[in-house]
Amino acid sequence: NAGVMQNPRHLVRRRGQEARLRCSPMKGHSHVYWYRQLPEEGLKFMVYLQKENIIDESGMPKERFSAEFPKEGPSILRIQQVVRGDSAAYFCASSPSRVENTEAFFGQGTRLTVV
Amino acid sequence: GENVEQHPSTLSVQEGDSAVIKCTYSDSASNYFPWYKQELGKGPQLIIDIRSNVGEKKDQRIAVTLNKTAKHFSLHITETQPEDSAVYFCAAYGKGDNNDMRFGAGTRLTVKP
Repeated sequence: NAGVMQNPRHLVRRRGQEARLRCSPMKGHSHVYWYRQLPEEGLKFMVYLQKENIIDESGMPKERFSAEFPKEGPSILRIQQVVRGDSAAYFCASSPSRVENTEAFFGQGTRLTVV
Repeated sequence: GENVEQHPSTLSVQEGDSAVIKCTYSDSASNYFPWYKQELGKGPQLIIDIRSNVGEKKDQRIAVTLNKTAKHFSLHITETQPEDSAVYFCAAYGKGDNNDMRFGAGTRLTVKP
């Protein structure tokens, strides 16, 4: 049973370009969470999704950022018109149901560098 | 929403000594508290968790305690080894209107051989 798969592991974008980060949850997991981690800092919650639904996006910047988790395929975190401040590691985690009832497992992250 | 505070931010111990990391949370409705270990360049790895119906849980050299009245929980690592060196994060599941985990800022543990 493969773990949470994130790709790409490293992504370099020029200012103004779009970044698309993909997260394939563990088999049987229908809940996905995205977190951002700046160097030497903790994990900041961004968005929580279930299949085809955004449950909580209170941590997501209002502009340029969007997330989806379609019925088929991976969850996508999209950052439009990237700026230097978007450079960070982005982690996703998945769980089979609500976290209170089970565990959430993280992927290895995508390290985004904006040049 | 849930607010989690974690202390200390850095901790250095001698190999074989114990390490204790403490977290407090704000949402009294929170009922699930996992701990994650993150090594350099890797994603966080779940090492132990505790739910609100128990006060303590142990797994070999790692233990977690929970005080719901005081709204704090702690990670205890005994007989530390150099490979325990990593950043440790606590988290709390804030039940409220949201269904997600909020993390502490992390503790960088260094175990000196």
